Amino acid sequence: DAGITQSPRHKVTETGTPVTLRCHQTENHRYMYWYRQDPGHGLRLIHYSYGVKDTDKGEVSDGYSVSRSKTEDFLLTLESATSSQTSVYFCAIIRDSYSYEQYFGPGTRLTVT
Amino acid sequence: QKEVEQNSGPLSVPEGAIASLNCTYSDRGSQSFFWYRQYSGKSPELIMFIYSNGDKEDGRFTAQLNKASQYVSLLIRDSQPSDSATYLCASNTGFQKLVFGTGTRLLVSP
Repeated sequence: DAGITQSPRHKVTETGTPVTLRCHQTENHRYMYWYRQDPGHGLRLIHYSYGVKDTDKGEVSDGYSVSRSKTEDFLLTLESATSSQTSVYFCAIIRDSYSYEQYFGPGTRLTVT
Repeated sequence: QKEVEQNSGPLSVPEGAIASLNCTYSDRGSQSFFWYRQYSGKSPELIMFIYSNGDKEDGRFTAQLNKASQYVSLLIRDSQPSDSATYLCASNTGFQKLVFGTGTRLLVSP
C-alpha cells in the first residue's frame, strides 16, 4: 500500500454527524489526494494537497473539507454526513513528481445511514 | 469536461489468450496515461504509464498510445485467471491531477 495507511478502514455513521477520515504517509511526499469510488462513476477526485496547508478542490468537493497541517497527514472531513456520501474513500500520493504516478492507500468504506 | 471512456465489460478471454483493453480520452492536452488494476474490494494498483506515442512493454503487459486518435490500450499476453480484475485507465490532465475512466472488468477463464 505504498507506505500509506488510512483510518478508520470501515465506518458506519448517521446522517448529520461529522466524520473525519485520516490518510497517513511515511515517505514525506508532497502531493496527496482524496478520491471517492462509486459504482458507475469510477474514481473521482475530492480534494488534493500540494504541500502543508496547500490544498485545492477536485471535481466532487461539495460537502467535504480537508486539512494538512503536517506533511504526513491529510484529513478529509464530512461536516454533516449525508447518505449520498456513502462510498469507498481512497487516499493517494505521488512518489515521482516527474511521472505523476499515483499510489493508493487501502481505502475506507464509509456507510451513512 | 475532461473525460476518459472505457467499456465496462466484462471482457471474457480464455487462459493463455491476449486480452485487449481500450480507453479513449477527450482532452487533447493530456500528456500521460496510466493503467491500474483493481481487484474486488481492494485499492487500485499501478500497472504502468505511457506518455509517448507507440508501444511500451513491461513483462506480459504492453501499453499503446495514439495521441492523434486519443486512444490508449493495454494488452495482456498469456492471460491468467489471476488477471481477472477491473482495469482502470487514467489521464494526467495537468496540475498533477488524474481523471479516471470507470474501468473494464476482465474475466479470464481457465
